[in-house]
Amino acid sequence: AQRVTQPEKLLSVFKGAPVELKCNYSYSGSPELFWYVQYSRQRLQLLLRHISRESIKGFTADLNKGETSFHLKKPFAQEEDSAMYYCALGDYNFNKFYFGSGTKLNVKP
Amino acid sequence: DAGVTQSPTHLIKTRGQQVTLRCSPKSGHDTVSWYQQALGQGPQFIFQYYEEEERQRGNFPDRFSGHQFPNYSSELNVNALLLGDSALYLCASSLGQDYYEQYFGPGTRLTVT
Repeated sequence: AQRVTQPEKLLSVFKGAPVELKCNYSYSGSPELFWYVQYSRQRLQLLLRHISRESIKGFTADLNKGETSFHLKKPFAQEEDSAMYYCALGDYNFNKFYFGSGTKLNVKP
Repeated sequence: DAGVTQSPTHLIKTRGQQVTLRCSPKSGHDTVSWYQQALGQGPQFIFQYYEEEERQRGNFPDRFSGHQFPNYSSELNVNALLLGDSALYLCASSLGQDYYEQYFGPGTRLTVT
């Protein structure tokens, strides 16, 4: 069963516009959710995790258990935000980790 | 600290052959997880090694096996290669078995012809 769904393969916005990258999950229990980012020619790296409730590089994500969503948001996109973004879920019942298929964010000047 | 390192960077194998990929974890980390990332897809969890044992496994056949050494480095072995095994293989290291702080390597690009 698919655990993490990212419905958009590509999202293009203009610099300064708000950004929302969607992520929905299916999991019974309390999920641990993460956003990873991969900039061009760099390795995959953790952007943020829901338990820390922090803002990284202006990005925030709120876990909505009712809608089983963990959307990533930023009020004003910057060109350097252009990258591949992956939503991920940690299954602590079985100690496995699931990634979504990713969304490519393109911020246009 | 070079972080997580993987070797080789890329390789080409023929269908039916066997391949071994290597991973050195970030300094201080004792857990290694392996992922397969097909083109246009997100990484898929293969398995995790902790204390030199395979602790968890994703939906991958027994052709995929691994090993962890006392220095925490790890190998991923794939036997009887299929064309569908062509992918980027990522190694991630962490401390303990949790996934809070996974650090990824650059990956090994495997092409099966």
